[in-house]
Order: sequence, then C-alpha cells, then structure tokens
Amino acid sequence: NAGVTQTPKFQVLKTGQSMTLQCAQDMNHNSMYWYRQDPGMGLRLIYYSASEGTTDKGEVPNGYNVSRLNKREFSLRLESAAPSQTSVYFCASSEYLAQYFGPGTRLTVT
Amino acid sequence: AQSVTQLDSQVPVFEEAPVELRCNYSSSVSVYLFWYVQYPNQGLQLLLKYLSGSTLVESINGFEAEFNKSQTSFHLRKPSVHISDTAEYFCAVTENSGGSNYKLTFGKGTLLTVNP
Repeated sequence: NAGVTQTPKFQVLKTGQSMTLQCAQDMNHNSMYWYRQDPGMGLRLIYYSASEGTTDKGEVPNGYNVSRLNKREFSLRLESAAPSQTSVYFCASSEYLAQYFGPGTRLTVT
Repeated sequence: AQSVTQLDSQVPVFEEAPVELRCNYSSSVSVYLFWYVQYPNQGLQLLLKYLSGSTLVESINGFEAEFNKSQTSFHLRKPSVHISDTAEYFCAVTENSGGSNYKLTFGKGTLLTVNP
C-alpha cells in the first residue's frame, strides 16, 4: 500500500496563476484533510472532507477550494496564487482518530 | 474551542541524555491526544496516542507520554535519546464530541536536536 500520495512534490508559481494539488489514499478512509505548514506555526487546517461528497472549511480556507472527487481523491485548488500561500501543503486521511499524512507539496509563489 | 501549547520551540540535548517535550492543552470536554514526529523533508508520522484507559502510553521506539488531566498536559519523554531522534515533534488534540469526524488541532512544534 502506498498510503497517502501527493503530487506534485515541488511547484513554483507566479502571483495570479492557478494550480491544483492532488491527493490520493488507498486505505479506504472516509475522512480526508488539507493542511498548510509554515515555520513556527505548526499545521493549520485548510479544508476537510468527512466523507465522499462533503467538504467543510477549516481554520484558514480563504484563497482555496477543494473537491472530493471520490472516496480516494481529495484535491486542493488555488485559483489565483498569492505570495502568502507560499507554504508546504500536507494531505491526510483518517478512518477513526489517527490521521495518516502524505509527503507534502512545497509551493513557492513569487 | 480546543488549543495546544508546546512550551519549547527548540530542545537541544546530547546523545544518550533524557529528554522531555512539553505539551499542554485546553478544552472544555474530554479529549484524545497525539504526538506526531516529522523527520526532515518528510510528512508527519503518528508516534503515539492517548484515547482512554492507562494514562501512560508508549511508542515502539522508546518514547512515552503521560496524560495528566488535572494539569491538562501530555508531555513526551525518552530516557535516552539517539542521533536519529532528531526531528520536529508535534502535539495534537481532538475533542471527544461523539461525532465521526475528528479534526486535529496541532501545537506549533518542538524541534529536538540530538548532538553527539
């Protein structure tokens, strides 16, 4: 099992460009999450999906949209990237309490 | 609302020394508690968790944490650290709200650096 996979691993965008971060899990988990990690800030929840077909805002949703494409896949979209969105993005999934994380996407917006 | 405070942003120690990484939480209901570890350039891995029962929980690599309800703490300890324990450690909490979706709130992390 691959667990949680994320693509791409690295991305550089110019201000105003758009992109979609992809996440997939093969553990048949119902819940999936998107976090951003910034130095000294820990992880902050952007959006989550409790089950297929549902999505909800987390702590820092502004500037992002998500799609729960099916049970396996949960994508994060930046419609118009801003330098403040430079960060490392992690996807996670869970069935009960423990969350399992992907390896992350390092995004730089110039 | 739940919150987590990790009191030390950096903890440098020498190899084979004991270490304690401190974590305090705030919540108005009962909670579940977690420690995650992040090695350089990797995602987070679950180290150990407290759900119920014994307040002392252990990981497979020698770490342990004790849930103290009166102190609202969940400190992480290891009696003798190795160079390979160098990583960032995150404490996390979620409330036992009876639902099926559990959102974690993370602390800001403690960077443990083990020196030879």
